Amino acid sequence: DGGITQSPKYLFRKEGQNVTLSCEQNLNHDAMYWYRQDPGQGLRLIYYSQIVNDFQKGDIAEGYSVSREKKESFPLTVTSAQKNPTAFYLCASSIVADEKLFFGSGTQLSVL
Amino acid sequence: KNEVEQSPQNLTAQEGEFITINCSYSVGISALHWLQQHPGGGIVSLFMLSSGKKKHGRLIATINIQEKHSSLHITASHPRDSAVYICAVRSNTGNQFYFGTGTSLTVIP
Repeated sequence: DGGITQSPKYLFRKEGQNVTLSCEQNLNHDAMYWYRQDPGQGLRLIYYSQIVNDFQKGDIAEGYSVSREKKESFPLTVTSAQKNPTAFYLCASSIVADEKLFFGSGTQLSVL
Repeated sequence: KNEVEQSPQNLTAQEGEFITINCSYSVGISALHWLQQHPGGGIVSLFMLSSGKKKHGRLIATINIQEKHSSLHITASHPRDSAVYICAVRSNTGNQFYFGTGTSLTVIP
């Protein structure tokens, strides 16, 4: 069964700590995205990658980092520099030449 | 200013009612998407449109490219339709998607 798997579903961060959110896809998609969702706001792009070993900043990249060492994996690290990390994080993927986005089930990150 | 505006923000309907959710956008697009987000948080794609009209079961989506407007209709609404519906557009000048803030629909039995 093809799809996108995000883990964990819930994550808690202590002050000063870096945390990493996992995103894995077995759809053979080239493009992968990380979005942040806050109540009352549309999804905002954090980072995206269209090819292995390459990624670009989105609108709200400050305080976040990513890597794309494998086509299937696009982990997001929320660093201690991100002062307001509490949000719902969604990973998505697509075929670059196609329009349709496929989403994971999301990770809710909260600050302790 | 948001590139994608949706209305209404919240909508409550009786089971069986006909529902319309509207979306307006201000950028040039290659396609418009209607997405559904259930309380668990995961998002599924309902429609992808670049012109005209698409129908899937009780759901109908239309787009008017000249007016930069799209509507999502649900006929004979059911409590299981309760979810947040999100309009998204893909810019025709890059790889960027823009998302509306969503319409929260509650269908009461």
